[in-house]
Amino acid sequence: EPEVTQTPSHQVTQMGQEVILRCVPISNHLYFYWYRQILGQKVEFLVSFYNNEISEKSEIFDDQFSVERPDGSNFTLKIRSTKLEDSAMYFCASSPRPNEKLFFGSGTQLSVL
Amino acid sequence: DAKTTQPPSMDCAEGRAANLPCNHSTISGNEYVYWYRQIHSQGPQYIIHGLKNNETNEMASLIITEDRKSSTLILPHATLRDTAVYYCIVRVLSGSARQLTFGSGTQLTVLP
Repeated sequence: EPEVTQTPSHQVTQMGQEVILRCVPISNHLYFYWYRQILGQKVEFLVSFYNNEISEKSEIFDDQFSVERPDGSNFTLKIRSTKLEDSAMYFCASSPRPNEKLFFGSGTQLSVL
Repeated sequence: DAKTTQPPSMDCAEGRAANLPCNHSTISGNEYVYWYRQIHSQGPQYIIHGLKNNETNEMASLIITEDRKSSTLILPHATLRDTAVYYCIVRVLSGSARQLTFGSGTQLTVLP
């Protein structure tokens, strides 16, 4: 079964550094999403993306965050200057049509020291 | 999207049916009921969704009451691997990609 692939599985960075989290969505999907989950808390929406544009973003997704689809297969989340509170598991997801069932990757655990 | 209410936790014996309830009394006519689960901090996994008719797939069955104010997810023969947090989410199928709002869900523990 096709799956969403995320790399790296773990990322450790120093506060203030930039990080890029990478995702390869399922190949025929057109809608892409980032979610995050702080340890012990709920899964939180960050951003949705379609046709090279952001469709919706949450309050968490401030100017420190950006998303990009640099080529036909990758979907990235960049955090420009990481904060301690950015430490979380970040999940990428994709869907073939808007708001239909989302397929999630296994996540990138980001630790900001 | 309408608010949902789920019990925080449930236990089920292995091999028995697990029945997970969800209350969504403020659901509107164009909102679907979705179920996802999350196994131990893995990415959420889609299970099933429905509008008003009961639905069944290879993973589970979804029973929606006639007034659509509540639903039940049924795992017919629960296994230890079904231990997870189960999320009931109500949302419209709109033309733009909108967020899926996860609540606290129900922690299902399947006991040997």
